[in-house]
Amino acid sequence: GESVGLHLPTLSVQEGDNSIINCAYSNSASDYFIWYKQESGKGPQFIIDIRSNMDKRQGQRVTVLLNKTVKHLSLQIAATQPGDSAVYFCAEKGGGGNKLVFGAGTILRVKS
Amino acid sequence: NAGVMQNPRHLVRRRGQEARLRCSPMKGHSHVYWYRQLPEEGLKFMVYLQKENIIDESGMPKERFSAEFPKEGPSILRIQQVVRGDSAAYFCASSPGRNLGNQPQHFGDGTRLSIL
Repeated sequence: GESVGLHLPTLSVQEGDNSIINCAYSNSASDYFIWYKQESGKGPQFIIDIRSNMDKRQGQRVTVLLNKTVKHLSLQIAATQPGDSAVYFCAEKGGGGNKLVFGAGTILRVKS
Repeated sequence: NAGVMQNPRHLVRRRGQEARLRCSPMKGHSHVYWYRQLPEEGLKFMVYLQKENIIDESGMPKERFSAEFPKEGPSILRIQQVVRGDSAAYFCASSPGRNLGNQPQHFGDGTRLSIL
């Protein structure tokens, strides 16, 4: 069955350092991937997305990398700030459907 | 510039009662999705609706749960005869209805349902 999982449940980084959050997916038919950030008591907030015909996409301070060969997705956050502390989810969509399949989440803690 | 609006933010019900959760999509969006989240877990898809149509309900429990998105008004997720296991955060998301290829779903801040 399809599934999306994360390697590291908790990541602690020093303020100013770069963060890398990883995600593995198993559905080779997935063609669209999204990273969301969720703060306590709030809904998931869109960060960045990538389509399967790309292997890299950059936003403001964030970069998403997609490796379809090993079915791996990563989110890189440059110069991590205390406001980046949250739970980060990867999600995939594919197989002709519209539903998103979410991973379990990675907690990012930024130390000042 | 309202995003996805959900209400109530918190809902407390006793076992056996009914719960109604409402979701108004972002302006211009005609696709609505409902997800459920248990503590320290990812979101699980429940149902996908367009105006007056259920497109995919593969994640909905077979009994007690129903969803609608009428021509006018918000989408409603209805849980009848609630049980303690229904306690969770329920999130609604929306996306544009036009055929623009893959578009991100934008989420509301959820309804936290507690069953006593």
